[in-house]
Amino acid sequence: KAGVTQTPRYLIKTRGQQVTLSCSPISGHRSVSWYQQTPGQGLQFLFEYFSETQRNKGNFPGRFSGRQFSNSRSEMNVSTLELGDSALYLCASSKDYSENIQYFGAGTRLSVL
Amino acid sequence: DQQVKQNSPSLSVQEGRISILNCDYTNSMFDYFLWYKKYPAEGPTFLISISSIKDKNEDGRFTVFLNKSAKHLSLHIVPSQPGDSAVYFCAASGVRGSTLGRLYFGRGTQLTVWP
Repeated sequence: KAGVTQTPRYLIKTRGQQVTLSCSPISGHRSVSWYQQTPGQGLQFLFEYFSETQRNKGNFPGRFSGRQFSNSRSEMNVSTLELGDSALYLCASSKDYSENIQYFGAGTRLSVL
Repeated sequence: DQQVKQNSPSLSVQEGRISILNCDYTNSMFDYFLWYKKYPAEGPTFLISISSIKDKNEDGRFTVFLNKSAKHLSLHIVPSQPGDSAVYFCAASGVRGSTLGRLYFGRGTQLTVWP
């Protein structure tokens, strides 16, 4: 059974640009969550989607957004990139939004120059 | 505000000995706790979990203990093996409100198991 797939694995952008990251959950999983990992803040929750609806959101500015498609695949978008957005972005999936165990992808490493 | 805390950034243990990783939490709404292992350039891998209705859960060499009154949990690895060397994250989630559907992570503990 394939795990969580995130694309691309690495990305380099410049300040002011926008970026879109993609996540394909484990087959049959309907909930997708996104996390940001930085050395200074650790693993921080961004948002969680289930049935194409955002059900929970972390404390991030509106430049961070996401969506989920009918096949449960998800994308997150960061607009007007800042240097501080450089991080590892992790996607996790679970069977549904009440399932506590989340399975993570390998992440997308974003570098903002 | 760090609601899940791992106060030891690193732990070094000899192969064959016990590794004990500790975690504290502050939010009383947390009722499910997980441990993840992370290797460099990979995402966190789920290791073991425990519900707040239990005080112990065992899976092979890994045992998690929960002390609700102290808001403390620990992961025991016996015996430790060099392949266990990784960063271990403690995480928590709840069943209500903003704690539902999200994991709150500690900063992680780097475990090194030497031969």
